[in-house]
Amino acid sequence: DIVMTQSPDSLAVSLGERATINCKSSQNILNSANNKNYLGWYQQKPGQPPKLLIYWASTRKPGVPDRFSGSGSGADFTLTISSLQVEDVAVYYCQQYYNTPRTFGQGTKVEIK
Amino acid sequence: QLQESGPGLVKPSGTLSLTCVVSGASISSSNWWSWVRQTPGKGLEWIGEIYHDGTTDYNPSLKSRVTISVDKPKNQFSLRLKSVTAADTAVYYCARVGLDSSAYDYWGPGTLVTVSS
Repeated sequence: DIVMTQSPDSLAVSLGERATINCKSSQNILNSANNKNYLGWYQQKPGQPPKLLIYWASTRKPGVPDRFSGSGSGADFTLTISSLQVEDVAVYYCQQYYNTPRTFGQGTKVEIK
Repeated sequence: QLQESGPGLVKPSGTLSLTCVVSGASISSSNWWSWVRQTPGKGLEWIGEIYHDGTTDYNPSLKSRVTISVDKPKNQFSLRLKSVTAADTAVYYCARVGLDSSAYDYWGPGTLVTVSS
């Protein structure tokens, strides 16, 4: 299984400041045939299912605010919230879909400082 | 939209059975349809997925106990997990694998299943 490891486990950021979450996979999840990284980012608020924010590591899902961005390649990835808003308080997960079993990171809790 | 349904309480050694009704999309489309569960201890865990032709893929850690099936006339798919223990207590989600994204673009609201006598 591909193990996904996120850091930090939690972070507190002031409103309007940048939040950065890292995700590392235990093996490369870049498909060299199509140059796509099989990595998604999700946001989960209490009592709700995860919501897809980013796929292919850096493609924002339509309707997702542009303050959310994804970057990275191979085995190291980053989700950045450029200017934290109150509604961004949530737990964020990365997920690889390079192969099965699909696996998720342990989650990063983002709070307001 | 996806909506899970099924018993919220299952006895140990029994069988957990859930159904996911799909609306606004055809289960016969080119998507894969998945089950994912979430526990405080293990986080999000992929259970398995199914294609409309009945092709399945299961998590090896659960494969001996899991069956996922599809009912095209009813536009739904189902999960059966046998020989459950307290460790199977979780919120169970059904989700769709997006055609463009290959990630989970739509999720059901989730249903809590507790394994207890």
